Amino acid sequence: AQSVSQHNHHVILSEAASLELGCNYSYGGTVNLFWYVQYPGQHLQLLLKYFSGDPLVKGIKGFEAEFIKSKFSFNLRKPSVQWSDTAEYFCAVKVYYKLSFGAGTTVTVRA
Amino acid sequence: EAQVTQNPRYLITVTGKKLTVTCSQNMNHEYMSWYRQDPGLGLRQIYYSMNVEVTDKGDVPEGYKVSRKEKRNFPLILESPSPNQTSLYFCASSVTESPGELFFGEGSRLTVL
Repeated sequence: AQSVSQHNHHVILSEAASLELGCNYSYGGTVNLFWYVQYPGQHLQLLLKYFSGDPLVKGIKGFEAEFIKSKFSFNLRKPSVQWSDTAEYFCAVKVYYKLSFGAGTTVTVRA
Repeated sequence: EAQVTQNPRYLITVTGKKLTVTCSQNMNHEYMSWYRQDPGLGLRQIYYSMNVEVTDKGDVPEGYKVSRKEKRNFPLILESPSPNQTSLYFCASSVTESPGELFFGEGSRLTVL
């Protein structure tokens, strides 16, 4: 079974700082990749997804992610965070019918 | 409004008392799935269904049952709940049999005493 690893459990940063969250997966075959966000008290929402094509994917709210196949990675980035980006971020990997999530990274943005 | 609806949203029960958490989607989605969310462990898939009458185990199926008799409904059954099933449960659906974007319900917080 595939596994999904997120490098950071909790990230704290100030507004306008840059954000990068790491995600690695273990499956060697074809995968589809996702980043989801969970704002406090809400359910998960899709930030962006990669199925094929350009490995640099742009999502909502200024987020982007880069798929590096050789490194089995799909890292999430945002050049300048806002207080409203405070949330928990989940990387997810789909193999056939199974969609597995990482443990999540809590991001706290200080005003 | 397109949505995934779970009930109940909050439940406190006792060990061994059978319970069902319902999930219904109004988007005609093929794929439905149940996840549990626990601190430090993220979301773990319990069961999923690619279509009516087609279900399969996820990563943590022990102690749970599901059925998919209708396309819109995917109930999660705990035949004999135990305290280690205390968790936040999410139902999700996706348009196609092989899931793309998941649409999540609001979550059901279950406490088993």
